[in-house]
Amino acid sequence: AQSVTQLDSQVPVFEEAPVELRCNYSSSVSVYLFWYVQYPNQGLQLLLKYLSGSTLVKGINGFEAEFNKSQTSFHLRKPSVHISDTAEYFCAVSEYDNFNKFYFGSGTKLNVKP
Amino acid sequence: EAGVTQFPSHSVIEKGQTVTLRCDPISGHDNLYWYRRVMGKEIKFLLHFVKESKQDESGMPNNRFLAERTGGTYSTLKVQPAELEDSGVYFCASSRLRGPQETQYFGPGTRLLVL
Repeated sequence: AQSVTQLDSQVPVFEEAPVELRCNYSSSVSVYLFWYVQYPNQGLQLLLKYLSGSTLVKGINGFEAEFNKSQTSFHLRKPSVHISDTAEYFCAVSEYDNFNKFYFGSGTKLNVKP
Repeated sequence: EAGVTQFPSHSVIEKGQTVTLRCDPISGHDNLYWYRRVMGKEIKFLLHFVKESKQDESGMPNNRFLAERTGGTYSTLKVQPAELEDSGVYFCASSRLRGPQETQYFGPGTRLLVL
């Protein structure tokens, strides 16, 4: 079974500062990797995903993530955050042979302060 | 295009009662998923429909949970009888096709509180 660890439950950061949200996973098989964001009172929205190819993935709203297979990590980064980035962020994985079943982390609440 | 909708948005019931959650996927999406998040923990997979057929129900916690998708359109998730540990946020998602390249679109969730 997969497990996904988001080490930080909350990350406070000032506006225009850089941010990194950490995600590590454990798996005995190859996986696909995803980051979703949930704004207040909304559903989860896909930010970006890694399926294959370049390990640096760019997503919406200026976010990017890098897949590191040796460290089984998929950390999310943004060089300069905005107030509007305040939301909860979820890392997820799915297995190559069962790709519709997502395993999510427990989420990281990003709080961007002015 | 309308997104995934879920009804109700909130539900408060007493232990032992029955609750039915509804999910309307995006029109034309054959794949429908149910997930649950308990007590601010990780979001856990419950099951996956392809049209009206259950493709994977490995995440259903026990036989108090019954999911249906008659006609391959909307889906319902019934909890009967509800227990305290069933409290949480129930998410529904849908995708047009199967495959990792297909994005799962999530609804806003139903917040269930069992007292």
